[in-house]
Amino acid sequence: GAVVSQHPSWVICKSGTSVKIECRSLDFQATTMFWYRQFPKQSLMLMATSNEGSKATYEQGVEKDKFLINHASLTLSTLTVTSAHPEDSSFYICSALEPGGPAYFGPGTRLLVL
Amino acid sequence: AQSVTQLGSHVSVSEGALVLLRCNYSSSVPPYLFWYVQYPNQGLQLLLKYTTGATLVKGINGFEAEFKKSETSFHLTKPSAHMSDAAEYFCAVSRTNAGKSTFGDGTTLTVKP
Repeated sequence: GAVVSQHPSWVICKSGTSVKIECRSLDFQATTMFWYRQFPKQSLMLMATSNEGSKATYEQGVEKDKFLINHASLTLSTLTVTSAHPEDSSFYICSALEPGGPAYFGPGTRLLVL
Repeated sequence: AQSVTQLGSHVSVSEGALVLLRCNYSSSVPPYLFWYVQYPNQGLQLLLKYTTGATLVKGINGFEAEFKKSETSFHLTKPSAHMSDAAEYFCAVSRTNAGKSTFGDGTTLTVKP
């Protein structure tokens, strides 16, 4: 199947700093990517839909000014957690939609905010 | 609106025994259904999916699932559990063949030797 990568896989940062997470589709072009968040022992919750060349669509309750999404190319979407706080500590997972489907998930990025 | 209910947050089976993980869904339109597996500290891997056509879907690692519209179910089975099957399993429903999915709460499968 198609490969989706995320970078970094682990990040530890201080409270108040910003963190950028990259999601790349390695062998296909993805006009649409999705960002999910997973707290420990919980399921995945969709945060936003990222469309290449346009603004992301955020799910209800997700702060768009805090979680900045940029889908600048057909193979890269970035999620920036701005002014991170400890409650933002979570596992962030992206998925990239292959033309005609399905979506493939990245390996996830674990964020720890101290 | 769509939702997914996974019955049983924890399932424990013996190695070689049948694996049955239950998933019920609700959807206002014909659903696309997925099962994913997640190993500790890793992303999700697609096990199998139902879109249209044959209601019995075969996936990787010997897993299969049957779409039963009358029961709004999409249970995951494997005839003989292996130790390597121990993981978290998520059922998901989508309106399209990909992407914006609603996930169940997950079922942790434990396989005893």
